[in-house]
Amino acid sequence: QLQLQESGPRLVKTSETLSLTCTVSGGSINRSSYYWGWIRQSPGKGLEWIGNMYYSGTANYNPSLKSRVTISVDPSKNQFSLKLNSVTAADTAVYYCARHYSGYGWVDPWGQGTLVTVSS
Amino acid sequence: EIVLTQSPGTLSLSPGERATLSCRASQSVSSSYLAWYQQKLGQAPRLLIYGASSRATGIPDRFSGSGSGTDFTLTITRLEPEDFAVYYCQQYGTSPFTFGPGTKVDIK
Repeated sequence: QLQLQESGPRLVKTSETLSLTCTVSGGSINRSSYYWGWIRQSPGKGLEWIGNMYYSGTANYNPSLKSRVTISVDPSKNQFSLKLNSVTAADTAVYYCARHYSGYGWVDPWGQGTLVTVSS
Repeated sequence: EIVLTQSPGTLSLSPGERATLSCRASQSVSSSYLAWYQQKLGQAPRLLIYGASSRATGIPDRFSGSGSGTDFTLTITRLEPEDFAVYYCQQYGTSPFTFGPGTKVDIK
C-alpha cells in the first residue's frame, strides 16, 4: 500500500524559503503515469493545488504560485520536494504531498499533512 | 481559473438518510475530469470518486457520482456514522486544478 510522509521545518520566517520533502514508501516514484505533487489547505483559502511533477522532470504549476515554487523529484531516494520562496503569513497552511494520476489527474493517496507556520 | 461552488454549505441528516451534494463549475469541466473527496477532522482528504462517476478502490457502493459539463452530484444513499465529514469536489481538467469550498455533512 502506497504511503506518503511529509517532513520539514514547521516554522518558517517571513521572506524565507519553505522547504518540504515527501518520502514515498510501498511503491516506486518512477512508475509511469503518476505525477507527484503538493496541495495546501488553509482556513482562508481552502484547498489550493500547488503543482505536480513527473519523475522525468515535466511539471505543472499553479500560475498564482509559479514564480515562487519549485518541485523536484529524486527517484534514487524515492522522494520529492517542495520549495516556496519569499513566504508571508498567507502561506501558513497544512501542506499535503500526494500522488496525481497523470499530470491532469485525480489525487490519491495523500500524505497526512504537515502544518507550516510563517511568522516573523 | 474554474471556480467550483458547492451546495449546501452544511447538510444536517440522520444515519440511514440519503445525502445529495451539489458541485457547480463556472465553466464546463473538460472530459468530466471531476473528483470527490471526503475529509474527516484532523485527516487528509480521501478520494471517493474520479471521472465524475467512477468509485475509487475500496469505496462502498453507497457513494455514487453523476453529472457532466458544469453540474455534478455526489449521492450517499444511506448515511453510515462514519460518513459524517466534509466533502470536496475538485476539477482536474483545466490548470490550475481547483477545489470547491466543501459541504459539511453533520448529524441532525
